[in-house]
Amino acid sequence: DSGVTQTPKHLITATGQRVTLRCSPRSGDLSVYWYQQSLDQGLQFLIQYYNGEERAKGNILERFSAQQFPDLHSELNLSSLELGDSALYFCASRRGGTSNTGELFFGEGSRLTVL
Amino acid sequence: GQQVMQIPQYQHVQEGEDFTTYCNSSTTLSNIQWYKQRPGGHPVFLIQLVKSGEVKKQKRLTFQFGEAKKNSSLHITATQTTDVGTYFCVYNQGGKLIFGQGTELSVKP
Repeated sequence: DSGVTQTPKHLITATGQRVTLRCSPRSGDLSVYWYQQSLDQGLQFLIQYYNGEERAKGNILERFSAQQFPDLHSELNLSSLELGDSALYFCASRRGGTSNTGELFFGEGSRLTVL
Repeated sequence: GQQVMQIPQYQHVQEGEDFTTYCNSSTTLSNIQWYKQRPGGHPVFLIQLVKSGEVKKQKRLTFQFGEAKKNSSLHITATQTTDVGTYFCVYNQGGKLIFGQGTELSVKP
């Protein structure tokens, strides 16, 4: 158990819909990272938050947004869903965020299927 | 811009054979991490390398960071079926933690 909790574990929805994925980081971890893993794309970095503020942004679509709340949990919002958004979405947390070092602790992931 | 290639993409070995995956960067890396993802699982941290020429060992796993900090390798001696999974190098690119393409290892008993 990594200590990172993601909900829901599985989600099936239709194209055009909107979903919210939730992540609770390990106790004490200030940084939250979101990754998308699809079969042909590997693990793609989406976005990072540190103590409530956006710190780094990857190739995140405009239809996607995220935030980190004062209690440090994070939500990833995916809207106007397309078939290609079907993937496994991982959240990871890390103690710090301003330094280059420190391991990432991953949650079990949220598997999104768009039909 | 910075480019990191991880090779090979796939490796099929007989149990007991050795395995190596490489990450090669076009620019100097500040540090590099290695993760393992078992089939159906999530990535799990293995090691972090920071110093030029650093070598670290974990039982049958040996991790190296090149002298120029542009390449790194993970070597597994005498693979076992429990080594099956995808191995990723992870590097820092402008504050983003980027995963390499991964090397998927399969081990035939």
